[in-house]
Amino acid sequence: GENVEQHPSTLSVQEGDSAVIKCTYSDSASNYFPWYKQELGKRPQLIIDIRSNVGEKKDQRIAVTLNKTAKHFSLHITETQPEDSAVYFCAASMKSNYQLIWGAGTKLIIKP
Amino acid sequence: DTGVSQDPRHKITKRGQNVTFRCDPISEHNRLYWYRQTLGQGPEFLTYFQNEAQLEKSRLLSDRFSAERPKGSFSTLEIQRTEQGDSAMYLCASSFSGRDEQFFGPGTRLTVL
Repeated sequence: GENVEQHPSTLSVQEGDSAVIKCTYSDSASNYFPWYKQELGKRPQLIIDIRSNVGEKKDQRIAVTLNKTAKHFSLHITETQPEDSAVYFCAASMKSNYQLIWGAGTKLIIKP
Repeated sequence: DTGVSQDPRHKITKRGQNVTFRCDPISEHNRLYWYRQTLGQGPEFLTYFQNEAQLEKSRLLSDRFSAERPKGSFSTLEIQRTEQGDSAMYLCASSFSGRDEQFFGPGTRLTVL
């Protein structure tokens, strides 16, 4: 079955700097890759997603890139702000079953 | 509130008791998913409904777990004879047929003593 690995587990960056979180997946049939942000005690919130027919997608300070050949995708956050501090999860799914397979999460800490 | 809702938000029970959780998806969303999340981990898929049909079940869903969605709207997840290892956050999500995006509820935190 599908397996998603996520790195790093913790990322500390200075406010205003960029943050990059990377994920790899194992099943080439996966075709949908969302990123969720989860604050302590709260629900996961979808922040951006990408489908396998696209290589890059951007939404203001957030971007996601996908390399299907290498089976990895990354989240890029520019001009980080204190409110970006949270745990970020990547996930992958395929059309055949729609279940999301999740990475282990990255705790992003924005230092003032 | 048009988001996914879950009830109760917290449940404390003794080992061996049965518990039932409810999820109300976003209206018009015909797909509903249950996930389990333990502290410091990503959510794990449990099961998924399209309308009232349960289409996928994870190996994580032992015989003690049962989920229903009788009218294709709200869903219930029951855990029988709870064990301490069942302690986790149980998350529900919903999506619209033809769309990939899943939207999550606030979760039910279960503590088994």
